[in-house]
Amino acid sequence: GESVGLHLPTLSVQEGDNSIINCAYSNSASDYFIWYKQESGKGPQFIIDIRSNMDKRQGQRVTVLLNKTVKHLSLQIAATQPGDSAVYFCAENSGYALNFGKGTSLLVTP
Amino acid sequence: DAGVIQSPRHEVTEMGQEVTLRCKPISGHDYLFWYRQTMMRGLELLIYFNNNVPIDDSGMPEDRFSAKMPNASFSTLKIQPSEPRDSAVYFCASSFGFQETQYFGPGTRLLVL
Repeated sequence: GESVGLHLPTLSVQEGDNSIINCAYSNSASDYFIWYKQESGKGPQFIIDIRSNMDKRQGQRVTVLLNKTVKHLSLQIAATQPGDSAVYFCAENSGYALNFGKGTSLLVTP
Repeated sequence: DAGVIQSPRHEVTEMGQEVTLRCKPISGHDYLFWYRQTMMRGLELLIYFNNNVPIDDSGMPEDRFSAKMPNASFSTLKIQPSEPRDSAVYFCASSFGFQETQYFGPGTRLLVL
């Protein structure tokens, strides 16, 4: 069936380094993608989104890249800070509902 | 705006008891979603409403689960009778439009003993 998955369940980076979190999706009809950040004990928080008519979108310290050819999505966090430590989810929407991946845990070490 | 509001934040109950979770979406949002999150299954969509009308409840695990949205500012998710396997974090989210960003509440952490 259709699915959204993450390549790496955990990622450890040093403070100040750049982080890259990857996500693969299988539904070629998906046309809207979102990255969420979830801190312990909290609900998922919107970070950035991208629609299928774009291949890159930038926010504050974050960039999302979309490669529709290989159905791959990535989230880049520049100058990672301790406050970035959280679980990151990608989600895709093909017009039905949001389908969430399993999540990647990002740990920022000093 | 205060964001999506959920209550209670934590609920501990015994098997067989009725549990009611509450949600107040962001004002003006016309879509409301209920999700369940567990370590094993991640985030699962249970049901969603558009303009207070349930659109898709295919994610509701079984008849023990029911959801209502009597007005644009309030929704409930009820489990009756509750079972230990219902233990999870339940999130409510709302959005302005279907394919728009969903904003999540803080969740209700449910433990059924």
